[in-house]
Amino acid sequence: GAVVSQHPSRVICKSGTSVKIECRSLDFQATTMFWYRQFPKQSLMLMATSNEGSKATYEQGVEKDKFLINHASLTLSTLTVTSAHPEDSSFYICSASLTLNRDPYEQYFGPGTRLTVT
Amino acid sequence: QKEVEQDPGPLSVPEGAIVSLNCTYSNSAFQYFMWYRQYSRKGPELLMYTYSSGNKEDGRFTAQVDKSSKYISLFIRDSQPSDSATYLCAMSSDSGGSNYKLTFGKGTLLTVNP
Repeated sequence: GAVVSQHPSRVICKSGTSVKIECRSLDFQATTMFWYRQFPKQSLMLMATSNEGSKATYEQGVEKDKFLINHASLTLSTLTVTSAHPEDSSFYICSASLTLNRDPYEQYFGPGTRLTVT
Repeated sequence: QKEVEQDPGPLSVPEGAIVSLNCTYSNSAFQYFMWYRQYSRKGPELLMYTYSSGNKEDGRFTAQVDKSSKYISLFIRDSQPSDSATYLCAMSSDSGGSNYKLTFGKGTLLTVNP
C-alpha cells in the first residue's frame, strides 16, 4: 500500500514554456501533499505543502507565482513550473500523507520527475 | 551552519562489511529522526525512524540517536550489493500541525562491491 506516482518521469522543455507535473496517491486518499526539489548532490528541499481544497503554503524563497500548486482532489496534486528557465532544471519529488496530523515519517514519496529546461 | 550535515561520500565497501552512516544536526527541537534510501533517479524510501533518543534495530539495519551530541547513525550489517544507494537522513521537530516538515541531509552515496 501507500503508493505515490508521478507523471511524467522525465521532461525536457524550452526556456519560457510551462510544465505541469502530476502527483497521484494510488491506493489512499492524501489530505496533504508535499513538493520537494533536489539539485544534484544536494538535499531534498521542501518547496510547498498543499492541503486538498485549499491554497498551498510555500517555503521561504519559493516563488508562488512561478510554481503553481493545485490539490484539487484527495488523490491528485499538480505542480506547474511557469516560464521555466534553465536554473529550474532539477529533480522534483512529491510526497503524500493521509492527514496533516500524521507522524512525519508517514510521508510516502513519489519516484520523482526530472525536469530539464534548455 | 546548516541544520543537518551529512557527509556525501562516496563510500565504497566490500560485500559483507559493516557500514556506518552519520548525520549531525544543530536544531535541538528535532524529535523525529528518519533514514531513507534513494536509488538513482527514484524517490526516497523510508528505511527506519526513531523518536527521540535511543536505538532501533530492524534486520540488518540499526539506527541510533544521541540527542546530547546531536548525532545520529545508521549501521548496516552484512552489507549487500543491493544496498548500493544514496542514504538520506531526515529530521522533524513536530509530529502534527503545519510544522512537521522534514529537513534532509545531502545524502551519502554508498557502493557495496561484490
